[in-house]
Amino acid sequence: GAGVSQTPSNKVTEKGKYVELRCDPISGHTALYWYRQSLGQGPEFLIYFQGTGAADDSGLPNDRFFAVRPEGSVSTLKIQRTERGDSAVYLCASSLGTGQTQETQYFGPGTRLLVL
Amino acid sequence: GDSVTQMEGPVTLSEEAFLTINCTYTATGYPSLFWYVQYPGEGLQLLLKATKADDKGSNKGFEATYRKETTSFHLEKGSVQVSDSAVYFCAPPVYGNNRLAFGKGNQVVVIP
Repeated sequence: GAGVSQTPSNKVTEKGKYVELRCDPISGHTALYWYRQSLGQGPEFLIYFQGTGAADDSGLPNDRFFAVRPEGSVSTLKIQRTERGDSAVYLCASSLGTGQTQETQYFGPGTRLLVL
Repeated sequence: GDSVTQMEGPVTLSEEAFLTINCTYTATGYPSLFWYVQYPGEGLQLLLKATKADDKGSNKGFEATYRKETTSFHLEKGSVQVSDSAVYFCAPPVYGNNRLAFGKGNQVVVIP
């Protein structure tokens, strides 16, 4: 079946602009995660959804970052007033959402964001 | 807070060599431990996992044992291939929401 998809695959924007990054999880997966991966680093957690609600947004770096998942499927990560330091690969992952810690997260290919 | 430490630097080795990538963690009691792999041009994917202490995960010739007494989850493969060239991440899930706490990753380059 289809895996996690993310659009766009690449996004170039100018400092100060607004961007939206989209994630389509695997059908039936209730848990959805956003991570950010900077060059040479491991992915860092941003936010976790269980269904429609953001169960943990403690990883969002500041109030310029916001994410929604209105129908419990597709999620959009929104970044306002982008800064050069926001440049990174933004990864989305989904899992069944059973709550079991050995549950596998399935990752999308990521959106590479470059802020000029 | 909780943290994961992977050995420093990229690893370059010849085909058929033995590979070890060290991973240690500081939290007392991760429920499970995972290794993820990122092949060139591809997304992150689960390589193997161990779901409790002393459990061994294995896949594609790779193995890792969840050793609670040494708080380690080292990744090993007895004979690497060029196709194993990738970045490997140690990633335990955190209690409560299962978010993954990734290490920095190790670039592995296997030369023929």
